[in-house]
Amino acid sequence: GQQVMQIPQYQHVQEGEDFTTYCNSSTTLSNIQWYKQRPGGHPVFLIQLVKSGEVKKQKRLTFQFGEAKKNSSLHITATQTTDVGTYFCAGPPSYGKLTFGQGTILTVHP
Amino acid sequence: DTGVSQDPRHKITKRGQNVTFRCDPISEHNRLYWYRQTLGQGPEFLTYFQNEAQLEKSRLLSDRFSAERPKGSFSTLEIQRTEQGDSAMYLCASSSGPGHGSYEQYFGPGTRLTVT
Repeated sequence: GQQVMQIPQYQHVQEGEDFTTYCNSSTTLSNIQWYKQRPGGHPVFLIQLVKSGEVKKQKRLTFQFGEAKKNSSLHITATQTTDVGTYFCAGPPSYGKLTFGQGTILTVHP
Repeated sequence: DTGVSQDPRHKITKRGQNVTFRCDPISEHNRLYWYRQTLGQGPEFLTYFQNEAQLEKSRLLSDRFSAERPKGSFSTLEIQRTEQGDSAMYLCASSSGPGHGSYEQYFGPGTRLTVT
C-alpha cells in the first residue's frame, strides 16, 4: 500500500539557521499536502502541491514537488522560535484520504 | 468559532468499556474523516464520509470500531470493549469538494482517549 517516508525524524537548529524536511512516496502522488502541528495542537494545513516540479513559497517557507511526483521538500529559511512543531507531508493515495508521513519534529533554540 | 469541534476533549475509561466521540465539522464541508494519532506518529486514517455515506474504512479498523454520520452533518465514532492499545488521540477533520480531487483538511482539536 501507499507509504510516505519522511526524514529526518528530528531536527534541532539554532534560531536563524535553515531547516529542510524531505518526503518520499513509494508511488506517484496526484498531489501532496503539508501540515504543521504545534506541540499539544492539531495538524494545520500549510499548502498543497499538484504539478510536477512545482515550487511554492510562503514567506520563509519554500515547498517543492519532485518532477516524478514521488518526493517533496519543505525548506524554512532563518528559523524562528515560532516555527517549532512537527511538520508532516501527506499524500492522497485514493479519493480524499490522506496518508501522513511520520513527521519531522523541529526544535529551535533561541 | 466555525472550525471543527470535537467532544469530549479527554476521555479516561476502563478496559472493556464502550466510548463514543462526537465531531462537528465545518458546516459547509461534505467530507468528514477520522484519524488516530499516537505519540511520535503522524495521523493514521480510520474512516471517511462523504455526506452521510461511509466511503472507506481502514483495514486496520477492527470490528470494535464503528462510525456514523446519520444526517451528513456531525459524526460519531464508537469504540466497543476498549483495550489499552486504543489509547491515542482521535482526530476528526473535514473538507469540501464534491469531485475527485484532494482538498485541504481542517482538523479538530482531537479527543484524547486513555484506557486504563
